[in-house]
Amino acid sequence: DIQMTQSPSTLSASIGDRVTVTCRASQSISSWLAWYQQKPGKAPKLLIYKASTLENGVPSRFSGSGSGTQFTLTISGLQPDDFATYYCQQYFSSRWTFGQGTKVEIK
Amino acid sequence: QVQLQESGPGLVKPSETLSLTCTVSGGSISGYYWSWIRQSPGKGLEWIGYIYYSGSTNYSPSLKGRVTISEDMSKNQFSLKLTSVTAADTAVYYCARSGVDSAFFQYWGQGTLVTVSS
Repeated sequence: DIQMTQSPSTLSASIGDRVTVTCRASQSISSWLAWYQQKPGKAPKLLIYKASTLENGVPSRFSGSGSGTQFTLTISGLQPDDFATYYCQQYFSSRWTFGQGTKVEIK
Repeated sequence: QVQLQESGPGLVKPSETLSLTCTVSGGSISGYYWSWIRQSPGKGLEWIGYIYYSGSTNYSPSLKGRVTISEDMSKNQFSLKLTSVTAADTAVYYCARSGVDSAFFQYWGQGTLVTVSS
């Protein structure tokens, strides 16, 4: 199976900060990567797919980049609603896998 | 708007079978992959497996042998059965939809907590 490794596990930031979360795949997955946001007690919400395509209705402060094995999720200008846990997911192989998550906390 | 809703027992005894159903509204189950994903308390997301509307299935190797996903197109539902459960199977179970050419999860159910305990 393709392993997805996110870093950092936890990130402390302030309102207005630019935040970057990294996701690394154990083998090349081209651009077949999605990012999700999850808040406590809620289902994950799709933010980005195909590494950099923003899902409809997602604020433009979210952006994604990368291909192959290295990917990043960037939040430009962190807002109070953005404090949450973020997961990457690969869908290159037929056995889909998630990263372990990155929690974005208030500094 | 597509909506998914999980249903089933919230408590299952060890060694028994966990059974959940996902009811899809606002769209047909035809033409999509329908997955089960779980999240143990305080942990990350684990994909369990999917069923394609044609009936083909694919399961995570870590659960293969214990998991079966089936569908009932007449009821617009799909189901999960997980046998021989242990406390390690205690989790929030989500159902989700992904497309054939776009296998990310665009629609999710709200999730249902299943506790394995005697």
